[in-house]
Amino acid sequence: KAGVTQTPRYLIKTRGQQVTLSCSPISGHRSVSWYQQTPGQGLQFLFEYFSETQRNKGNFPGRFSGRQFSNSRSEMNVSTLELGDSALYLCASSFIGLAEETQYFGPGTRLLVL
Amino acid sequence: GENVEQHPSTLSVQEGDSAVIKCTYSDSASNYFPWYKQELGKRPQLIIDIRSNVGEKKDQRIAVTLNKTAKHFSLHITETQPEDSAVYFCAASKPSNTGKLIFGQGTTLQVKP
Repeated sequence: KAGVTQTPRYLIKTRGQQVTLSCSPISGHRSVSWYQQTPGQGLQFLFEYFSETQRNKGNFPGRFSGRQFSNSRSEMNVSTLELGDSALYLCASSFIGLAEETQYFGPGTRLLVL
Repeated sequence: GENVEQHPSTLSVQEGDSAVIKCTYSDSASNYFPWYKQELGKRPQLIIDIRSNVGEKKDQRIAVTLNKTAKHFSLHITETQPEDSAVYFCAASKPSNTGKLIFGQGTTLQVKP
């Protein structure tokens, strides 16, 4: 099976702009989780989607949003970008998102906000 | 709240030595504890995991132990090799938090040839 894929791999934006990142899960996986990875804060959970519904959400401002499509592909959007949003954004997929399921990570999208 | 503490933040060992990384979690409802390895510029990859009904699990040179009473779990790597050099993350999850892993801050392991 193909692994989790993310596009684009790299992005450079300026403050105030918005950005959309895409994640395609492993075939058959219906749960997609998003994480932000920074040197200072480590890996932090953003949100999780299952069957086109956001089931769980982390402690991020409303500028961070997402959605999931009927084929389980997911997008996340960050509006009004701030310098502090520069990070590696990782998505992970699992079969149905149960706590005991393995999450498989994509390669990430590295976002730089200038 | 939910928290996972990981120590040490950096670890340097000689090739062939053992390495131990320790994590402590705060939420007693946590029941799944994976360990991920992330090489520079790569995605995190699962190397081993343990569930709360098991005390220890081994996979070749890697083992994980879990002490539910102390809310503590550890990764043990024996006969370390230079290719073990990477950042290792522990994580925890619980049934009421679908799709959510709480990660430790990571340990940078350097194995010197």
